[in-house]
Amino acid sequence: QVQLEESGGGVVQPGRSLRLSCEASGFTFSSYSMHWVRQAPGTRPEWVAVISYDGANDYYAESVRGRFTISRDNSKNTLYLQMDSLTAEDTAMYYCARDPTSRGARPTFVYWGQGTLVTVSS
Amino acid sequence: DIQMTQSPSSLSASVGDRVTITCRASQGVSTYLAWFQQKPGKAPKSLIYAASSLQSGVPSRFSGSGSGTDFTLTISSLQPEDFATYYCQQYISYPPSFGQGTKVEIK
Repeated sequence: QVQLEESGGGVVQPGRSLRLSCEASGFTFSSYSMHWVRQAPGTRPEWVAVISYDGANDYYAESVRGRFTISRDNSKNTLYLQMDSLTAEDTAMYYCARDPTSRGARPTFVYWGQGTLVTVSS
Repeated sequence: DIQMTQSPSSLSASVGDRVTITCRASQGVSTYLAWFQQKPGKAPKSLIYAASSLQSGVPSRFSGSGSGTDFTLTISSLQPEDFATYYCQQYISYPPSFGQGTKVEIK
């Protein structure tokens, strides 16, 4: 069965960096686009970033563009999110999610991990 | 960007009730519309894609309909495990966006 397991969350000071990881299993990781989606407490989910199956293309929400970088290592079945210049507004549960296709042209989220909590606070 | 609006924001219902949740897009999304269920402390779970197609393993009491800008999620006979928050999501274009959610509570 499809499993996605995030890690790397924690408490970080404003302006600092954090790197999240998402280890995938139960499917051919290198065949699918992957997303990061975040959800602040009591709010709707917010899409953050997508990367194509081969890592050649990525795209970001305006709120994180220039600060966050999505990447993947298909040899390790692992997705990453490098988060720099963090602010309090980045505090949320961060989920990795699998797209139904390789290129992610129509982005939706078939499978989700359990999430990793990021808290930005001094 | 496409804005998604759900109604109602919350509702109270009893086991066995028929429940309908609506979702409206600020511009047409064809049938690129998904529905998710989220329980407290858990990740969202995909229920429906392409407006009306059930994901594998989702009970048949869930159904979806609509196209363009107006969509509905119907639970034909509410079960105890269905008390949760439901979100719609458009995926015709980037950035994908979610409705604000509808919380289904026990009456």
